[in-house]
Amino acid sequence: AQSVTQLGSHVSVSEGALVLLRCNYSSSVPPYLFWYVQYPNQGLQLLLKYTSAATLVKGINGFEAEFKKSETSFHLTKPSAHMSDAAEYFCAVSLPRGEKLTFGTGTRLTIIP
Amino acid sequence: EAQVTQNPRYLITVTGKKLTVTCSQNMNHEYMSWYRQDPGLGLRQIYYSMNVEVTDKGDVPEGYKVSRKEKRNFPLILESPSPNQTSLYFCASRGPGQGLEKLFFGSGTQLSVL
Repeated sequence: AQSVTQLGSHVSVSEGALVLLRCNYSSSVPPYLFWYVQYPNQGLQLLLKYTSAATLVKGINGFEAEFKKSETSFHLTKPSAHMSDAAEYFCAVSLPRGEKLTFGTGTRLTIIP
Repeated sequence: EAQVTQNPRYLITVTGKKLTVTCSQNMNHEYMSWYRQDPGLGLRQIYYSMNVEVTDKGDVPEGYKVSRKEKRNFPLILESPSPNQTSLYFCASRGPGQGLEKLFFGSGTQLSVL
């Protein structure tokens, strides 16, 4: 079975600072990995995905994530935080071409002006 | 506009009073799914449907029912709601042959069971 662990349920960064949201996965086979963002009162929106091609994945809104097999990690980063990045972020995992997403517990990102 | 529409957006009810949360998509998607979101637990899948008349349990199906009589609709039914079903519910859909990255999510239904 696949699972993901998100370290830190709340993360605060200053505007303009680096954003780093951590995600570690567990999977018996090389997984597909996803990051989603949820703005207040909205559904989930896909930020980026890893599906066994390039290990550094670029997504929307300036976010990127790097798949590191040796560390079983898929951390989300953005060089410079904007106020509009304040939201909840979810890491998710699936089997390759699988039918089911398994989500992490989420990280709420707060941006300090 | 392609969308997944859930109704109602907010619902307060009492224990034991049957309710239905509707979900409709206008993209002719075959796959539809229901999730519940709870603080500290993330999103967990309740039920999913691969096509009309084909449904299957997700990770937390207890206390819920679904039906898929037509492709566009996938209602979530709580026959006898209990307070532990107080949660934020999301419906999602995707088209045939599309990967999970193509999941469309609705805006959510906040349910409170008193």
